[in-house]
Amino acid sequence: NAGVTQTPKFRVLKTGQSMTLLCAQDMNHEYMYWYRQDPGMGLRLIHYSVGEGTTAKGEVPDGYNVSRLKKQNFLLGLESAAPSQTSVYFCASSYHPSRRGAGDTQYFGPGTRLTVL
Amino acid sequence: GQQVMQIPQYQHVQEGEDFTTYCNSSTTLSNIQWYKQRPGGHPVFLIQLVKSGEVKKQKRLTFQFGEAKKNSSLHITATQTTDVGTYFCAAAGGTSYGKLTFGQGTILTVHP
Repeated sequence: NAGVTQTPKFRVLKTGQSMTLLCAQDMNHEYMYWYRQDPGMGLRLIHYSVGEGTTAKGEVPDGYNVSRLKKQNFLLGLESAAPSQTSVYFCASSYHPSRRGAGDTQYFGPGTRLTVL
Repeated sequence: GQQVMQIPQYQHVQEGEDFTTYCNSSTTLSNIQWYKQRPGGHPVFLIQLVKSGEVKKQKRLTFQFGEAKKNSSLHITATQTTDVGTYFCAAAGGTSYGKLTFGQGTILTVHP
């Protein structure tokens, strides 16, 4: 099993450009998440999904959109990138929180380092 | 929304010294998890605490969940250079079903 994979690993954008980050998981997890990590800020939730076809806003959703057309994939889009979106982006997935024994433990991908100039 | 405070932000220790990081919430938690992130890596799950007053050990690591389920700690005995990284607590509870609220993390540096 590959676990959680993310593409690309690195990306440099100019202000105003758009891009999509792809997250894929092969663990049949119901829940998927997108976080951004900035120095001293910990991990902040951008958007999340509790199942195929559903998405919800997290703590810092502005400037981002997401889609979950397939259970195994969760896409994060930046329509018009801004320098404030320079960050490391992590995708994570988990079983349904009610699942016995597994709880809501999250499994993270390797991250995407994004720089917006 | 739910907030989790984690202290200290940084900790520098000599190899062999002990290390502790603390996590506090203003609300009662259903469970708390701990993750470790190595430099340049991604967060990796360490452990989950569910019961009031629970204590769990993993070799040199001891995890505690407070009696009121509002605070937690991670203690490392006799640190090694392999312990270097950022340790995060992550809280679940209240209206945040299925979501975790992460603390800011404690960056541990171990000097040989």
